[in-house]
Amino acid sequence: QKEVEQNSGPLSVPEGAIASLNCTYSDRGSQSFFWYRQYSGKSPELIMFIYSNGDKEDGRFTAQLNKASQYVSLLIRDSQPSDSATYLCAARNTGGFKTIFGAGTRLFVKA
Amino acid sequence: DADVTQTPRNRITKTGKRIMLECSQTKGHDRMYWYRQDPGLGLQLIYYSFDVKDINKGEISDGYSVSRQAQAKFSLSLESAIPNQTALYFCATSETGMVGTQYFGPGTRLTVL
Repeated sequence: QKEVEQNSGPLSVPEGAIASLNCTYSDRGSQSFFWYRQYSGKSPELIMFIYSNGDKEDGRFTAQLNKASQYVSLLIRDSQPSDSATYLCAARNTGGFKTIFGAGTRLFVKA
Repeated sequence: DADVTQTPRNRITKTGKRIMLECSQTKGHDRMYWYRQDPGLGLQLIYYSFDVKDINKGEISDGYSVSRQAQAKFSLSLESAIPNQTALYFCATSETGMVGTQYFGPGTRLTVL
């Protein structure tokens, strides 16, 4: 079992819809969680992080964390074609020295 | 100028050759990392360093070595390259702590023939 698992997709949504990206992790010692966006051939860039149970909103993005279920999600509201990319979920352990990345979910937003 | 730079950006080499990938950062971070990315496998940690005197192996360090020449410089070497080391390599830096953001360089695409 991989430590951080994501559905590889592709996930296809129409423009203006909500895209829901999911991630599960196996290490209960994971304390903080990150969502990165990566365009093809480019480096990952941070969208947001979360470390408390519940929701965290930043513009069109909402991260959700449920530590009991070991589940993290990212919602993208009003999806735009420019949101088409691979989204990487990452979990960091206590002490902050080890960050494990999932394989990523490819998202396509159709105009 | 970019905060995290990598050289070279692209490299094609032959099996058995020694290769060095270099990374420099101007963010002033103590923590630096080397990852490789293969299609469908996400980012895998090769080595990480929390300061000049601290080097640690990651998930897939076999066949690789690193050198932290200064706070701002962290290089990755492949002593004897093999075809399954063909991948996209990223250097990253981060702030300390549980939520320290990682900043990635532009990547080096390495092909080993």
